[in-house]
Amino acid sequence: AQSVSQHNHHVILSEAASLELGCNYSYGGTVNLFWYVQYPGQHLQLLLKYFSGDPLVKGIKGFEAEFIKSKFSFNLRKPSVQWSDTAEYFCAVTSGGYNKLIFGAGTRLAVHP
Amino acid sequence: DVKVTQSSRYLVKRTGEKVFLECVQDMDHENMFWYRQDPGLGLRLIYFSYDVKMKEKGDIPEGYSVSREKKERFSLILESASTNQTSMYLCASSLGQEVTGELFFGEGSRLTVL
Repeated sequence: AQSVSQHNHHVILSEAASLELGCNYSYGGTVNLFWYVQYPGQHLQLLLKYFSGDPLVKGIKGFEAEFIKSKFSFNLRKPSVQWSDTAEYFCAVTSGGYNKLIFGAGTRLAVHP
Repeated sequence: DVKVTQSSRYLVKRTGEKVFLECVQDMDHENMFWYRQDPGLGLRLIYFSYDVKMKEKGDIPEGYSVSREKKERFSLILESASTNQTSMYLCASSLGQEVTGELFFGEGSRLTVL
């Protein structure tokens, strides 16, 4: 069965630092990959997605992610984080149809001013 | 904007009680989902529904059932609540069969079972 691993459970950064959150998935076939974000007290929302084509995808708020098929990875990056990026980030992959998603365990990011 | 509304933000129940969690979406979405969110485990799919009266088990269906009598409403039922069902429950909806990956989530229902 498909599974998703997120390497870091907690990340603490200072503002302006660069961010990279790791994500690996288990299935080697065709996959659709996503990053979701949950800001404190808010509902989960889609940050960015990859279906095919350019392996470097850009999302909202300056985030980007790179799909590396040979490494089964889809890491999330941001060159310079802000305090408002404090949130929990979830990597996800489709599993079958109907937009059924399998999520990773999440990474809590805390950005200090 | 799509709105997914979960009827209760916080519930406290006793072991053995029957618990209903209600979810309503207002965008005529075909698919609806129930996940539970636990620290260190992320979101795990309990059940999903792709049409009225249609349902499929997710990864952790044991101890839960669901009901979808109307397109906009998807209910999660705990027949006999247990302490290990203390969790945050998230409802989500999405459009039909085409994979977009975009789920619209409610704000969650935090259930505590004593």
